[in-house]
Amino acid sequence: GENVEQHPSTLSVQEGDSAVIKCTYSDSASNYFPWYKQELGKRPQLIIDIRSNVGEKKDQRIAVTLNKTAKHFSLHITETQPEDSAVYFCAASSSSGYSTLTFGKGTMLLVSP
Amino acid sequence: EAGVAQSPRYKIIEKRQSVAFWCNPISGHATLYWYQQILGQGPKLLIQFQNNGVVDDSQLPKDRFSAERLKGVDSTLKIQPAKLEDSAVYLCASSLPVFPYEQYFGPGTRLTVT
Repeated sequence: GENVEQHPSTLSVQEGDSAVIKCTYSDSASNYFPWYKQELGKRPQLIIDIRSNVGEKKDQRIAVTLNKTAKHFSLHITETQPEDSAVYFCAASSSSGYSTLTFGKGTMLLVSP
Repeated sequence: EAGVAQSPRYKIIEKRQSVAFWCNPISGHATLYWYQQILGQGPKLLIQFQNNGVVDDSQLPKDRFSAERLKGVDSTLKIQPAKLEDSAVYLCASSLPVFPYEQYFGPGTRLTVT
């Protein structure tokens, strides 16, 4: 089955800096890669996703890049703000079957004012 | 639109007791998921339903966990008997039954087994 590795496990940045979280996946059939943000005690919320037919996608301060050859994808947050502090999860799934999502272990991002 | 609803939000039980969780998905979402999220880890899929049929339960500990989705809407997840290692947040999610199956999560039930 699919295996998703996520790094780093914790990331501390100063407000205004950029943050990058990286994930690798094992199943070459995976073609959908969502990112979820989970604040303490709250539900995971989808913040951005990318499909394998594109290499990069941006939404304001958030961007995701995908390298299918190397089987890795990354989340980039620019101009970080304290409210970006949360745990971020990457995930991967394939369009074959019922698209089961496999999650990484998460990255705790702490943005200091 | 209303989101995914779950109850209870918190539950404390002793080991060997039984417990049940309830989930009501977003209206029109035929696909429903139950995840287990242990502290410090990502969600792990326990079972996935398409309408009222199971499409993936490969990671469900079937000796103690069971789930059903009668009438293809609400779902219940049961643990009997509970073990200490079952302490976790149980998340329900739902999606439309088409790729990429974008999932929306409920608030979760935090289970503590003592």
